[in-house]
Parts: sequence; C-alpha cells; structure tokens
Amino acid sequence: QVQLVQSGAEVKKPGSSVKVSCKASGGTFSSYTISWVRQAPGQGLEWMGRIIPILGIANYAQKFQGRVTITADKSTSTAYMELSSLRSEDTAVYYCAREGYWFDPWGQGTLVTVSS
Amino acid sequence: QSALTQPASVSGSPGQSITISCTGTSSDVGGYNYVSWYQQHPGKAPKLMIYDVSNRPSGVSNRFSGSKSGNTASLTISGLQAEDEADYYCSSYTSSSTLVFGTGTKVTVL
Repeated sequence: QVQLVQSGAEVKKPGSSVKVSCKASGGTFSSYTISWVRQAPGQGLEWMGRIIPILGIANYAQKFQGRVTITADKSTSTAYMELSSLRSEDTAVYYCAREGYWFDPWGQGTLVTVSS
Repeated sequence: QSALTQPASVSGSPGQSITISCTGTSSDVGGYNYVSWYQQHPGKAPKLMIYDVSNRPSGVSNRFSGSKSGNTASLTISGLQAEDEADYYCSSYTSSSTLVFGTGTKVTVL
C-alpha cells in the first residue's frame, strides 16, 4: 500500500522560492508517476506537473512552465516540487499524488503561505 | 488548458439520487476514457471515487457510479447520505499529455 508523506508548512516572502518534499513508502517508487496539485484557499484543484522517477522525466502545466521544477530522488523514494518567484497568489495547499491517469493516493498536503 | 465545467452546487435529500456533470472538449473528456472523480471534505485531501470513467476503487461504495457521453462525464450518487456532503471534482487526461480538473461542485444534503 503506497503512502505519501509531505514536508511541513512553509511561510515565504514574495520573490523567494519554496521546495516541498513528498516521501513515498510501500510499492516501488521508481515504477510510478508522481504529480503535484495545488489548491488555493477556497478554490479548486489545479494540476501543476509530474515526474516519472524511473525515467527522470518531468513535464509541467503550461501555466507553471519556467517557474516550477519537479525532481525525484530514487535513493530516498522522495519527490520534490520547487516553485520560484513566489507571489501572494501562490498561497495554497500543495499536494503530491501518485498518478495513473487518476490520482491515488494523495499526500496530506503542505500549506505554503506567501506573505511579506 | 481550461478547467472542465461543473455546476457550482447540487443538493438532494437523504435517499435521493443526484448527478454531477463535467463538461470538457474532444481534446480531453471526449477524447479519452480517462475521467476520474474525487471527493473532498473540508480540510482533507481529495479521495479517488471513480477512475477510467466508471470504475470504482476498492472500498468505495457502490452508491457512486460514473459514465460519459461525448464531451460530458457524469458522477451519480444514489441513496444520498449525510456523509456524502462534500466537494466533488472531475479530472481528465488531455491531448497535451497533461491532466485537467473540473471547477468543482459542492454537494449539499438537505
């Protein structure tokens, strides 16, 4: 049974970067795809991008191209999502999830607050 | 990629059936049988309820069912219960090899 555990809440200044981790247990990490999804307060879900650890290939939603980097460390079964040039609109809960044309399971979510 | 269109809210009385629609285009919902549905209670992570249009993961009640016709997918909840009150989101694979979510629907049990 795959479980995903994310890093803790972050408070960042506008213009800075944040890196959120997602550690997997159970299953074979390299064999599945990890996606990142965010949800701004009171808003809907938004797909940001994915990584396929076994291939080391990431692709991103057009909206986040150039500002997001998703990586994976197979040795620790951990995926990372780094978002740069943060602005107030990036305040959201960020989720990782195993992807297979659907999302399951999900991590518990990481709240990132961007505030001066 | 624009979000898929869902009604903002749907309500029903206990025991009734409700249906939530999810409208996209031929480049997403209409082009692939990769529509999934998620239930989200306040402050919780989303939970997969339906995948590949109409398949239920193990442990999900058979009161939840999914279907698709053309560019519109639907989630039906039969025998509505108080615990079904939550936000529901659809998602679809797209021709750009990305995924897109719906706008979300708040289900209220009257």
